[in-house]
Amino acid sequence: GNSVTQMEGPVTLSEEAFLTINCTYTATGYPSLFWYVQYPGEGLQLLLKATKADDKGSNKGFEATYRKETTSFHLEKGSVQVSDSAVYFCALQNQAGTALIFGKGTTLSVSS
Amino acid sequence: EADIYQTPRYLVIGTGKKITLECSQTMGHDKMYWYQQDPGMELHLIHYSYGVNSTEKGDLSSESTVSRIRTEHFPLTLESARPSHTSQYLCASSGESSGSLNEQFFGPGTRLTVL
Repeated sequence: GNSVTQMEGPVTLSEEAFLTINCTYTATGYPSLFWYVQYPGEGLQLLLKATKADDKGSNKGFEATYRKETTSFHLEKGSVQVSDSAVYFCALQNQAGTALIFGKGTTLSVSS
Repeated sequence: EADIYQTPRYLVIGTGKKITLECSQTMGHDKMYWYQQDPGMELHLIHYSYGVNSTEKGDLSSESTVSRIRTEHFPLTLESARPSHTSQYLCASSGESSGSLNEQFFGPGTRLTVL
């Protein structure tokens, strides 16, 4: 079945450090891939997405590239800020467009 | 402004009480979902609906029930709450009217504590 595996946290970084959160998936066909972010006490917000192989999603300085050959969708940011502290979820959606399948979430903590 | 709302945001109740968690969206989305988020932050789909009078159970078994009588409204009910129901409940919706097929929009969540 479909599944998502993302690196366990917490990830602790200093401000302006480079961020990578790994995400790999297992799916049949050509799923759409997403990164969601959850700030403390809030619901999830879509951060970026990619719907086909080699697509690059980007938003707020974050990027992720849909790599079908490695079944990966790693999240990166060149210079993190304290305000980026949150929980990040990788997710996939199959071609039928049913509900999302989430990874377990990675907590990011950025200190000044 | 189009949005998705959940009430209450926080609820503390005693065992055996009946509760309903409300979820409404103003985006005209046909699909709506309920997720349960455990303390370890993992999200599990417990119910979904693809339209009025359509409801299905999700991947995680839940004692809750849902209804979809109106497009914009997708309430979740627990007939008799227990401490094991303590969790965060997130509602989401998606639809072609969002301008981005399949993108899900989430509400702020309801944090339920059953004593």
